[in-house]
Amino acid sequence: GAVVSQHPSRVICKSGTSVKIECRSLDFQATTMFWYRQFPKQSLMLMATSNEGSKATYEQGVEKDKFLINHASLTLSTLTVTSAHPEDSSFYICSASPNRDAGFYEQYFGPGTRLTVT
Amino acid sequence: QKEVEQNSGPLSVPEGAIASLNCTYSDRGSQSFFWYRQYSGKSPELIMFIYSNGDKEDGRFTAQLNKASQYVSLLIRDSQPSDSATYLCAVPPSGYSTLTFGKGTMLLVSP
Repeated sequence: GAVVSQHPSRVICKSGTSVKIECRSLDFQATTMFWYRQFPKQSLMLMATSNEGSKATYEQGVEKDKFLINHASLTLSTLTVTSAHPEDSSFYICSASPNRDAGFYEQYFGPGTRLTVT
Repeated sequence: QKEVEQNSGPLSVPEGAIASLNCTYSDRGSQSFFWYRQYSGKSPELIMFIYSNGDKEDGRFTAQLNKASQYVSLLIRDSQPSDSATYLCAVPPSGYSTLTFGKGTMLLVSP
């Protein structure tokens, strides 16, 4: 159980275009999903927390108009990188947290999407 | 700023030995603690979580928690080369559903 899928696994796009990444919880419902970014040899950086049916909460320094998040259902969240630039090239990873009692906050990660902007 | 500290390593152990990975955290209100394993180029995988003081065992893995000392550790018995990875300690700040991750400890198990 607790499987999270992410699509696509790898994408190359041209500078100035937009890219959409999907994150799905396959065998559980997730009120909350999270989007992270990881640059080579660096730790995970939380970009935003996505709550089903409400606006995402962005971490300081993350542009909400550039990284659009939609959490339309309890099993699907999408991240759209708009007007991508080469500095947006990174490993984007989503995670999902099963609906549990407060204090039980384990997250299960998708396999990640490697974005390369040329 | 709530912090989670880990030694970056690498921690090198021979095959069959016990690997001990340590983590300290700053938020005394944190109630749950998670260990993730991340292979190079892959996403993190949850391997253990612990909520109560003491030890929790799962196969070759044992998590140890000492809330008074704000310290959580992960022991890997009979280490295998396939255990070579970066191990991330993660702690939710009290009152939040997010996780604060440490920078991770790289473990290298030599045959």
